[in-house]
Amino acid sequence: QQQVKQSPQSLIVQKGGISIINCAYENTAFDYFPWYQQFPGKGPALLIAIRPDVSEKKEGRFTISFNKSAKQFSLHIMDSQPGDSATYFCAAKDNDMRFGAGTRLTVKP
Amino acid sequence: NAGVTQTPKFQVLKTGQSMTLQCAQDMNHEYMSWYRQDPGMGLRLIHYSVGAGITDQGEVPNGYNVSRSTTEDFPLRLLSAAPSQTSVYFCASSYLSGQPQHFGDGTRLSIL
Repeated sequence: QQQVKQSPQSLIVQKGGISIINCAYENTAFDYFPWYQQFPGKGPALLIAIRPDVSEKKEGRFTISFNKSAKQFSLHIMDSQPGDSATYFCAAKDNDMRFGAGTRLTVKP
Repeated sequence: NAGVTQTPKFQVLKTGQSMTLQCAQDMNHEYMSWYRQDPGMGLRLIHYSVGAGITDQGEVPNGYNVSRSTTEDFPLRLLSAAPSQTSVYFCASSYLSGQPQHFGDGTRLSIL
């Protein structure tokens, strides 16, 4: 079973809007929470990551919000652009990396 | 700097055939790993290596073998291909164990 539950499966956002993707986990041994971005025909690329002692991390238009007590974390993409259209994977690491099922984001011009 | 290079990009096999998926990295990373990506399931770890001569199993190792004779290369072998192994395979490397940073562009494998 999926150790990291990701939602939604797909997301359509207008250009300039905010894209929000959510992930939840149960394993309290996870100590590193990255997000990956994948374009069609390419491998995933590490986008941004957070450790559980921090509640928020921002890099440009991308922000991770982390709620340790709720065992949830989310990716926010501000001012979404058509070039952000891709599949996004959340992940969590104990000894190995466990991936969510992915969210296909489409940003309409 | 090529990063992580995977060959071939596409392959069609018949059930029972064997083949080797190649992976090479030029970043001198100790940690390398193989994942398979299936629709609705994200990426699942097959095998990984923390350095030359050291390999271990991941979440879905059955039907696959790996070896790590050099830091640069980490081939994945399918011993006797089955239709359930139809997938996209990704190799990744990192200087940090368990944290894949750089992925190749994948091998798309179909087993008939």
